[in-house]
Amino acid sequence: GAVVSQHPSWVICKSGTSVKIECRSLDFQATTMFWYRQFPKQSLMLMATSNEGSKATYEQGVEKDKFLINHASLTLSTLTVTSAHPEDSSFYICSASNYGYTFGSGTRLTVV
Amino acid sequence: RKEVEQDPGPFNVPEGATVAFNCTYSNSASQSFFWYRQDCRKEPKLLMSVYSSGNEDGRFTAQLNRASQYISLLIRDSKLSDSATYLCVVNMVASKIIFGSGTRLSIRP
Repeated sequence: GAVVSQHPSWVICKSGTSVKIECRSLDFQATTMFWYRQFPKQSLMLMATSNEGSKATYEQGVEKDKFLINHASLTLSTLTVTSAHPEDSSFYICSASNYGYTFGSGTRLTVV
Repeated sequence: RKEVEQDPGPFNVPEGATVAFNCTYSNSASQSFFWYRQDCRKEPKLLMSVYSSGNEDGRFTAQLNRASQYISLLIRDSKLSDSATYLCVVNMVASKIIFGSGTRLSIRP
């Protein structure tokens, strides 16, 4: 079945630094990938839709200059959290569409 | 009104019971529907797609009611391993997918 690999699975960083999260579709090509954020005991909130070869589409309230998305190939999308703050600490998950939506294993980001 | 709404639960039922969840969606142009299961601190995994004619997979039955704009999930003969959060997912126009807030299910021995 379709596999989406997300890396790293967890990261701790200092406030003010940037963190890059990678999302790869391993056995299929994904022109569109999605990035979600999930706070404890809450549902997944769509942050942005990543489109291969073009700009990402951000949801209302998500700062595009803070959450940089790059979808340079059909199998890789990256999310960079720039100048991270403690309130950015969350569970970030990517997904790609292939007969349904397959999710990466998620990245738990802790900003200290 | 939220685009996708679910009863958050928690539903606490004994093993062997039958339990059902509903999920309503606001956009009548929504195109496809799914139920996902999410275990604590893990990524969501596809449980089943929901088709207009209704579909069944073992102990799980999903139904779609376009007129009333809701989908449902029925779990029969529940097992301890069914304890999880069940997420309703709606694919709206332009490939935008929206998650419900999830319904927590706890099966007790």
